[in-house]
Amino acid sequence: NAGVTQTPKFQVLKTGQSMTLQCAQDMNHNSMYWYRQDPGMGLRLIYYSASEGTTDKGEVPNGYNVSRLNKREFSLRLESAAPSQTSVYFCASSVLREAFFGQGTRLTVV
Amino acid sequence: GQSLEQPSEVTAVEGAIVQINCTYQTSGFYGLSWYQQHDGGAPTFLSYNALDGLEETGRFSSFLSRSDSYGYLLLQELQMKDSASYFCALNTNAGKSTFGDGTTLTVKP
Repeated sequence: NAGVTQTPKFQVLKTGQSMTLQCAQDMNHNSMYWYRQDPGMGLRLIYYSASEGTTDKGEVPNGYNVSRLNKREFSLRLESAAPSQTSVYFCASSVLREAFFGQGTRLTVV
Repeated sequence: GQSLEQPSEVTAVEGAIVQINCTYQTSGFYGLSWYQQHDGGAPTFLSYNALDGLEETGRFSSFLSRSDSYGYLLLQELQMKDSASYFCALNTNAGKSTFGDGTTLTVKP
């Protein structure tokens, strides 16, 4: 049982480059999320999807876009990366009260 | 908006009991969750309180008082492997959560 799988695990981008972070879950959860975590801080919600076909902004959506491709997959796109987007990105899915997190993508923008 | 406050660091010795507090401000929420995160790892769910009172799960217990806007996580019989960061989180609609900045627990021998 894989749970939540994120790819890639590590990425270095140059300022202005674009990339898509992929996330897939195999637990048949309706809700999926993208968070970012900066050093020494908690998780801040970027976007979430309550169900297939719906997405909504979280606390820090600027500079990001998302796609809920189907029930399993929820991708996060950086159109023009900036150094301020250097962070660890976590995807999660949830049922009721418990969220399950992927192992994270460590992104550095230089 | 919502906000949560936790102590940034707590230190305790192996075998002891430690309490990590969380105070919050919110206009409404369904419950308070707790997550553990080891350095470099993914957060993992520990406990959830929808109602006031104590929830016990093995060595971990969590408490919520809605009237005081306060909760805590209690860790008993501390082990070295409990050294990690602990986050409280407010659960709102659609399972969306707002996280505190975390408390780093160091367990010493």
